[in-house]
Formats: sequence, C-alpha cells, structure tokens
Amino acid sequence: DAKTTQPPSMDCAEGRAANLPCNHSTISGNEYVYWYRQIHSQGPQYIIHGLKNNETNEMASLIITEDRKSSTLILPHATLRDTAVYYCIVRVYGTASKLTFGTGTRLQVML
Amino acid sequence: NAGVTQTPKFQVLKTGQSMTLQCAQDMNHEYMSWYRQDPGMGLRLIHYSVGAGITDQGEVPNGYNVSRSTTEDFPLRLLSAAPSQTSVYFCASSMDRGNTEAFFGQGTRLTVV
Repeated sequence: DAKTTQPPSMDCAEGRAANLPCNHSTISGNEYVYWYRQIHSQGPQYIIHGLKNNETNEMASLIITEDRKSSTLILPHATLRDTAVYYCIVRVYGTASKLTFGTGTRLQVML
Repeated sequence: NAGVTQTPKFQVLKTGQSMTLQCAQDMNHEYMSWYRQDPGMGLRLIHYSVGAGITDQGEVPNGYNVSRSTTEDFPLRLLSAAPSQTSVYFCASSMDRGNTEAFFGQGTRLTVV
C-alpha cells in the first residue's frame, strides 16, 4: 500500500474552509484515496473517497492532483463539530475493509 | 437500524483472564473487521472476515482469535489477556470488498491489569 504523509495538526476558524493536505507520492494506478475522521474517542467515520477525479458529497470535497501524488480534503464551512482527527488512507480496490490508518491530522476548529 | 454494535463499552481484566468482545451488525454486510487503537496512534487491523465461515489475520493478530458463524456477528476472543492488550477495540463492517465505506462501532475500552 502507498504510504501517506499528513501534517500532525491544523487549526481553522469556524465558518471558514478547512483544507487538509495528504501526500501519497508512491500511489499506484489501482489505489484509491479514502478519508475518514475520528471525533474524540468515537469510531472512525467515512467521509469520502476517490480515484483520480475530484469528488464531492454532502460532507466534503476531495481534490486529487493530476499526477495523483497528493490530495486535499476540503470542509467548506468548518464548524466546532468538525474538530477531529482526519485520516488519509490509500488502498487498492477491493480492500476497503482492510484499512491502514496512520496518525492523521488533528484539526482544531476555533471560534 | 442500529449499525455496528459493540459490547461491552468498558472492561477491566486481570492478566491471564479470558473474555470475548462482541460485535454485531444489522446491515447484512459481508465484510467485518477488528482494529485496536493505542494512545496517540491510528487503528491497526487485528483480524477480518470476508463472509460467514471465512476469517484471516491482519497486522497484529497475536493473542486474539475470531470466528464468523453468522453474517451478523464477529466476536473477538482474548484467550489469556496481557497488559499489552490494553487498548480501545473497534469493530467495522462494509458491504462487500469493493469501494464501499466501512462503518465502525463505538469501541470497547479494555484495560488489563
């Protein structure tokens, strides 16, 4: 599996967009990018995933660079409830049940 | 629709005791997994199952046993608990082996003294 690199922590003002970067420079052609988050000590929550096209859902947008070596998760209007640890995960298709979590980015949303 | 339910939420064991962590899902998902999370770290895969009667090892399987007799249930057994197994345990399920999201339970916080 491709290794991912994320900043350990980030701050964001409430109401502003939170842009969380992830580097996955060794990603291969059949690997997808997944994002999960973990609020406090709860179980992780799926946010979004993509292969090479940008994706958007009701929670967030995922922007993947053309060379696929990095991606950015965008929370368009961050709220205090978005304070969490965000994990960027790269997996081959068909292995969504076997996720490899790094240490993620701790996002603190502030008033 | 309860999703993924884990019991108990908290447990304290003495070294050498055995216990079973329960995990049940009501979404008819084929895939189920167990993870552990130690302080300040991400989750690590212990065991997983791709369907009833089929299980396989993950990254950190030693000291744990699993079985999958039904689609709904995937219990994790600690045969002889050790302090190194003090952790938070999460169970997850997903619909199939494709790119569907994994749903996680709320975790079991286990302390072995």
